[in-house]
Amino acid sequence: EAEVAQSPRYKITEKSQAVAFWCDPISGHATLYWYRQILGQGPELLVQFQDESVVDDSQLPKDRFSAERLKGVDSTLKIQPAELGDSAMYLCASSGADSYEQYFGPGTRLTVT
Amino acid sequence: QKEVEQNSGPLSVPEGAIASLNCTYSDRVSQSFFWYRQYSGKSPELIMSIYSNGDKEDGRFTAQLNKASQYVSLLIRDSQPSDSATYLCAADTGANSKLTFGKGITLSVRP
Repeated sequence: EAEVAQSPRYKITEKSQAVAFWCDPISGHATLYWYRQILGQGPELLVQFQDESVVDDSQLPKDRFSAERLKGVDSTLKIQPAELGDSAMYLCASSGADSYEQYFGPGTRLTVT
Repeated sequence: QKEVEQNSGPLSVPEGAIASLNCTYSDRVSQSFFWYRQYSGKSPELIMSIYSNGDKEDGRFTAQLNKASQYVSLLIRDSQPSDSATYLCAADTGANSKLTFGKGITLSVRP
């Protein structure tokens, strides 16, 4: 069964360090999403890609967060420098053409100390 | 601001009972609605989608949509302890395949 892949699954980093997350969407899915989920809340969209283009990054804290999807397939989300408030689950999802059905990867649990 | 509200919860039901989870949305532009199940420490899993007014059944799950009243619900029949999880409601924003998620309702099924 096709799945969204993410790595690492867990990451512990110190405040002010750089951290990166990787996502590989379901094969053929043109749309890729990065979400942040804080405990007890629903996922909040950070950035959305359509192929290699950014469709929505209005909620991405651009002073410290960056995201890319250079070849329109896999994607990387980076935080530099990490802050204590960045501790959360970072989720990647993908969807097919003209579909709102989003499928999530296993997520990366980030802890900033 | 487009919102999806899930204000009832946490919910506890005995095994075998019907669990009813409710959700309201603010944007009348929304046409597509989804329920995700999220086990503790895991990522959300899509379990139901509904696009038209009325009921949609899939096994023990029934999604209900009423666009006039702007609410979506999920019924789980014959609830099992394995159904214990947080259930997230999501609605489309009418643009760019973007979804807005509620904060979730935590369901506990007592054996």
